[in-house]
Amino acid sequence: KQEVTQIPAALSVPEGENLVLNCSFTDSAIYNLQWFRQDPGKGLTSLLLIQSSQREQTSGRLNASLDKSSGRSTLYIAASQPGDSATYLCAVRTRSGNTPLVFGKGTRLSVIA
Amino acid sequence: DADVTQTPRNRITKTGKRIMLECSQTKGHDRMYWYRQDPGLGLRLIYYSFDVKDINKGEISDGYSVSRQAQAKFSLSLESAIPNQTALYFCATSHRGGNTGELFFGEGSRLTVL
Repeated sequence: KQEVTQIPAALSVPEGENLVLNCSFTDSAIYNLQWFRQDPGKGLTSLLLIQSSQREQTSGRLNASLDKSSGRSTLYIAASQPGDSATYLCAVRTRSGNTPLVFGKGTRLSVIA
Repeated sequence: DADVTQTPRNRITKTGKRIMLECSQTKGHDRMYWYRQDPGLGLRLIYYSFDVKDINKGEISDGYSVSRQAQAKFSLSLESAIPNQTALYFCATSHRGGNTGELFFGEGSRLTVL
């Protein structure tokens, strides 16, 4: 059974700092991995989707990498801003496009002005 | 207008009452999902549907039922609500083709069972 872990559970950084959020998964036979952002009391917004054949994806100040062999993905946020404060969730789809996503519990990020 | 719409957004009910949460989408996606989110437990899958005639149980389906009335509509029912079903419920959609598996969420329905 796929398990997804995100450490740390919470992170606080000063504005302007570059930071890395971590995601690990137990079954390396993944189909794809998706990073989401969730603001308090709100729905999840898709940030980046990495297919199993890809090593990384970029969108603006965000860069997500995937290392299937080690069961790890990282989300890099450059030049953090207070508006980046949110919970970031990682989710993995295992083996095929017909299996549902398994979510980590998220990292709550606070960017302090 | 949101692509994935959930109603109601907030609901307070009593133990034993029947509750229905509704989800509709304008994305043209064939796949729909219901998740619940609890503090400390993360997101857990309740039911999912890959097309109108396909319904699958997720990780925590006990106490819930679903109906896929049309490709664009997927409803979640609690036949007899209990307090530990108090949670934030999310509907999500994805499409078989293209960027396969990218998931899109609604804004959530907060349910409180007293």
